[in-house]
Amino acid sequence: DVKVTQSSRYLVKRTGEKVFLECVQDMDHENMFWYRQDPGLGLRLIYFSYDVKMKEKGDIPEGYSVSREKKERFSLILESASTNQTSMYLCASSFASYGYTFGSGTRLTVV
Amino acid sequence: AQSVSQHNHHVILSEAASLELGCNYSYGGTVNLFWYVQYPGQHLQLLLKYFSGDPLVKGIKGFEAEFIKSKFSFNLRKPSVQWSDTAEYFCAVTRTNTGNQFYFGTGTSLTVIP
Repeated sequence: DVKVTQSSRYLVKRTGEKVFLECVQDMDHENMFWYRQDPGLGLRLIYFSYDVKMKEKGDIPEGYSVSREKKERFSLILESASTNQTSMYLCASSFASYGYTFGSGTRLTVV
Repeated sequence: AQSVSQHNHHVILSEAASLELGCNYSYGGTVNLFWYVQYPGQHLQLLLKYFSGDPLVKGIKGFEAEFIKSKFSFNLRKPSVQWSDTAEYFCAVTRTNTGNQFYFGTGTSLTVIP
């Protein structure tokens, strides 16, 4: 089974800090995605990547950036964390459009 | 823009009741359709998927979904729910000819009362 691992389950950061969320998948999937999940809003796509060094903006990219230096790793960066970025962050990977495999999520609290 | 609508935000059922969760999408082309489930404290898991063929799809744990192309719908059903089905359910759609981005509904929270 594909495994998608997110480095932290819970994080607490201060406003203005630079935050790195790491995601690693072990099945050589080309596609990787970052979502945030908020009550009543479902999953909203932040950024995605179809290949190494390639990135595309999703629906809510403001305040975020990403990095994909290796195929298996996709990092989400909050350049200057703000309280409205408190959320659950989900990483996913896929082969073509055959279905996502999700990581277990990182619950980020910005204080 | 592509959109996915889940009209039921919160559903409360007693055990053994039948379940139907609605999902409608807006895109008119060829799509792949999915239902994901998120149990409390766990990550999202694939429940079932439809690519082509028989529009009635069977998934895990007794769930099924029916694709009705004319109604742009992919409703999830289960004849008899259990307490362990308490979870959040998400419908998702991807367009088959424009890459691999998924569009998710806002989710339906299901609570099953023993």
